[in-house]
Parts: sequence; C-alpha cells; structure tokens
Amino acid sequence: DAGVIQSPRHEVTEMGQEVTLRCKPISGHDYLFWYRQTMMRGLELLIYFNNNVPIDDSGMPEDRFSAKMPNASFSTLKIQPSEPRDSAVYFCASRGTAGSYGYTFGSGTRLTVV
Amino acid sequence: QQPVQSPQAVILREGEDAVINCSSSKALYSVHWYRQKHGEAPVFLMILLKGGEQKGHEKISASFNEKKQQSSLYLTASQLSYSGTYFCGTNNNNDMRFGAGTRLTVKP
Repeated sequence: DAGVIQSPRHEVTEMGQEVTLRCKPISGHDYLFWYRQTMMRGLELLIYFNNNVPIDDSGMPEDRFSAKMPNASFSTLKIQPSEPRDSAVYFCASRGTAGSYGYTFGSGTRLTVV
Repeated sequence: QQPVQSPQAVILREGEDAVINCSSSKALYSVHWYRQKHGEAPVFLMILLKGGEQKGHEKISASFNEKKQQSSLYLTASQLSYSGTYFCGTNNNNDMRFGAGTRLTVKP
C-alpha cells in the first residue's frame, strides 16, 4: 500500500490566491482527517469525514476554508482567498473503522503564503 | 480539548531512559502515541484502549491510567533513532486532539 498520498508537497502562493490541497487516503479506510501544524498552535484538527460525509468541521478557522470528499479515494482542502497566516504544514490522515486503529498520516503539504 | 504533555523537551545520552506524560481534564477513552521526526509526518506508535492497559513496542512502552486521566510513554535504553517529537492524542468521538509535543533528543 502506498499510504496516504498528499499533493503538492510544497506550495508557495501569493496572498489572495486560491489554494487547493489534495489527499488520497488508504484504500478501505473510512475516516479521513485534515490537520494543520504550526509552531505556535501545534497539530490542529480542521475537519474529518466518515464515509465521505463531513462529521465535524468546527476546527475550520474561517469561511475561507472549505473541504470536500467527493468519493472514498479523494479529498480536497481549499483556501480562498489565502492569507500569510495560513502558512503551515497541512496533513491529511486516514483510519479504518475499528477503534483500535491508529492514524496514518500523509507526508503533508507545506504551504507558504507571501 | 487538548491533552497536556510534560516535559516539553528532554535531552538524553544513548542508553538512558525517559518518561513522557500526557494528561487530560476530560475522561479518556483511548490514548494514542505518535513520533514525528523533523520534516516528516507523525508516525503511529501505539494505542491504549482500556484503563490500566500497558503496551510495548520494542523498548518503548506505555501505560494508561483511566482514573487519573493520564498516560505515560516509557523509553528505555534510548537509541539515537528515538530522537524526535512525541505526541499523545486523545479522542472521545473520532476527533483526535494532540498535545503540544515533547521534543526528545538522544545524543551519543
């Protein structure tokens, strides 16, 4: 298994531009999570899906952030418009149904908004 | 609500032992432990599901005291490869919240 696949690995964009981050979870995993990691705030849960349905988006910082999961093998996190304070590493993670499973993280997308 | 980890950082010599603690103000149903090396993604180490449960992974083990709402990670006879930031995570309803992390440095 290739693990959780995220793209792009690095993204540099100008303030005000739209940014789309992509994630392919492990096949068979029915939970998908989006996290943001910064030095100041650590690992923050933004949103998670179960069977492609958003369950909790209370961690999404603002309306500028949106996430979708159109099918079991693909999810996107979009920021529009982007701001410098959105600069962070964004991780996607997936997990199987059983509560005894750990999370498998993707390699992350390092976003820099200038 | 985020769990609280201590210490924030620890420096060891190879072969020394370390304990990392994780506590929560809310009832814990499970505790996860992850290790993250610089520039990489967090990697799952183990999960503890029941109060009092202890698990081991090579020379890394953990305990879970449900009553005290605490978990501890034990690293024995540390190796250089153990260096990294260790996170505990707690979730009551699939929404994993991570502690701020403990940076562990193992020196030769």
